[in-house]
Amino acid sequence: GENVEQHPSTLSVQEGDSAVIKCTYSDSASNYFPWYKQELGKRPQLIIDIRSNVGEKKDQRIAVTLNKTAKHFSLHITETQPEDSAVYFCAAGSNFGNEKLTFGTGTRLTIIP
Amino acid sequence: SQTIHQWPATLVQPVGSPLSLECTVEGTSNPNLYWYRQAAGRGLQLLFYSVGIGQISSEVPQNLSASRPQDRQFILSSKKLLLSDSGFYLCAWSVLGSTDTQYFGPGTRLTVL
Repeated sequence: GENVEQHPSTLSVQEGDSAVIKCTYSDSASNYFPWYKQELGKRPQLIIDIRSNVGEKKDQRIAVTLNKTAKHFSLHITETQPEDSAVYFCAAGSNFGNEKLTFGTGTRLTIIP
Repeated sequence: SQTIHQWPATLVQPVGSPLSLECTVEGTSNPNLYWYRQAAGRGLQLLFYSVGIGQISSEVPQNLSASRPQDRQFILSSKKLLLSDSGFYLCAWSVLGSTDTQYFGPGTRLTVL
């Protein structure tokens, strides 16, 4: 089955700087890659996703890049703000076979004011 | 628009007692439904998923079970709770027939004493 690895597990960034979280996946059939943000005590919420037919997607301060050859994808947050502090999860899924997402282990991002 | 409900929001149960958590989705038909567990400070562990009424796939063998008695209702049960069952239980739904975005419910925080 699919295996998703996520790094780093914790990340501290000065407010205004950029943050990058990286994930690798093992199943070349995976073609859907969402990122979720989970604030303390709350449900995970989708912040951005990318499908395998594109290499990059951007939404304001958030961007995701995908390298299908190397089987890795990354989340980029620019001009970080205190409200970006949360746990971020990457995931990978495929339309071939089951209809599950495999999640990474999460990155706790702390923005230092 | 679609809405996902979970109840109860919090639950404190003694070891050995039964459990029933309910999840319902509004505003969509034939959704995929998922149960996840999140231990404190940890990632998302997929417990069960369902692609239709009466169709349940188990991901992790344990003392929990799931049922889908109606199209938009998903129930997580246990006959005898263990201390290790404590955690944050999240229900999620996605569009049937594809690996797509999963939308999470507000969660149930279960403490087993």
